[in-house]
Amino acid sequence: DTEVTQTPKHLVMGMTNKKSLKCEQHMGHRAMYWYKQKAKKPPELMFVYSYEKLSINESVPSRFSPECPNSSLLNLHLHALQPEDSALYLCASSQTLQGFNGYTFGSGTRLTVV
Amino acid sequence: EDQVTQSPEALRLQEGESSSLNCSYTVSGLRGLFWYRQDPGKGPEFLFTLYSAGEEKEKERLKATLTKKESFLHITAPKPEDSATYLCAVQAGRGGSQGNLIFGKGTKLSVKP
Repeated sequence: DTEVTQTPKHLVMGMTNKKSLKCEQHMGHRAMYWYKQKAKKPPELMFVYSYEKLSINESVPSRFSPECPNSSLLNLHLHALQPEDSALYLCASSQTLQGFNGYTFGSGTRLTVV
Repeated sequence: EDQVTQSPEALRLQEGESSSLNCSYTVSGLRGLFWYRQDPGKGPEFLFTLYSAGEEKEKERLKATLTKKESFLHITAPKPEDSATYLCAVQAGRGGSQGNLIFGKGTKLSVKP
């Protein structure tokens, strides 16, 4: 298995909703990442987990809450989002933080906040 | 400040017309330079990692090269299916930045039949 699987592929939520994005990989990678990508912009790093511990939090608002239950799973919990949070949310993984063999990205979750 | 600049922003080619995409960077201790291809609404697809000046890697019609200041992605005899946005990213060598890929804004390539 050489993939990063993200669910759901599309999500529409209201500003008062609570939802979660899920990411799963079975490549034995020990670093996992959440990126946010707005239309026609490059991905922007949100969070980094290394060996299930939060390594980097790029000053992301608290309405985004990451969780890494085990080495294969990464969640992003969403609460009280704003319309400007609408974007493509990408999960990625690498063997370690050094990323010597590259970073594998999932296909993303297209989030729309209404 | 670590920075990645890609040029051109957009490139239109005829099928078979070879060209190059540029990625220039300034970074404190380059740990690696990455090329990705991204189709609309999809996640980036890994193409190459380059680690040191002079390094070259090839995959089908694509060839990536690296100098101390920039990288080139050469596309030889492109086909319409090569149409995509090509992203360049660097990872800095500073310990606190490990795991942080710094992306350029990408080059949108369109190949017409």
